[in-house]
Amino acid sequence: DAGVIQSPRHEVTEMGQEVTLRCKPISGHDYLFWYRQTMMRGLELLIYFNNNVPIDDSGMPEDRFSAKMPNASFSTLKIQPSEPRDSAVYFCASSREGGANVLTFGAGSRLTVL
Amino acid sequence: GENVEQHPSTLSVQEGDSAVIKCTYSDSASNYFPWYKQELGKRPQLIIDIRSNVGEKKDQRIAVTLNKTAKHFSLHITETQPEDSAVYFCAATIYNNNDMRFGAGTRLTVKP
Repeated sequence: DAGVIQSPRHEVTEMGQEVTLRCKPISGHDYLFWYRQTMMRGLELLIYFNNNVPIDDSGMPEDRFSAKMPNASFSTLKIQPSEPRDSAVYFCASSREGGANVLTFGAGSRLTVL
Repeated sequence: GENVEQHPSTLSVQEGDSAVIKCTYSDSASNYFPWYKQELGKRPQLIIDIRSNVGEKKDQRIAVTLNKTAKHFSLHITETQPEDSAVYFCAATIYNNNDMRFGAGTRLTVKP
């Protein structure tokens, strides 16, 4: 397996633009997580899915953020409109049911909003 | 929900010395405590974990200890090497709950 695949690896955009981050979890993994990493706040859990269903989105900062998982092999995190304070590295991770909570992270998407 | 606090935020040691990173958690129901290591520019990766039915676990130069009564757990790295330099994250959750929330991280620097 190629692991958790994220795209894009880097994105630079201007304030107000829509940003879409993509993630392909490991095949067979039932859980998918979106984390945001900043120097100030560390690794924050934004939302996680189980079998494509959102379980907990309490970490999503505000209505500008939305996440979907239309099928077992794809998820998106969308920010609309983006703001400079959204600049961060966004990680997607997956794990399997009964997998002892072991998270496999993607390489991350570094977002810069100017 | 679970709240995990981690100290120190930065730690600098001389090569060969030991390093200790401490975490506390708030939810007494938590029973699974993993540690992730993130090297510069890389993704976090699991290095060791412990479940609440044991008080200590070792894997070569790293060990984790758990005090359930006090709700704290620690990562110990002995004979540190420059390649141990990284950011280390602790987490606390209920085993198989999959709601993984991390501490703020500790940036460890090992000076050669």
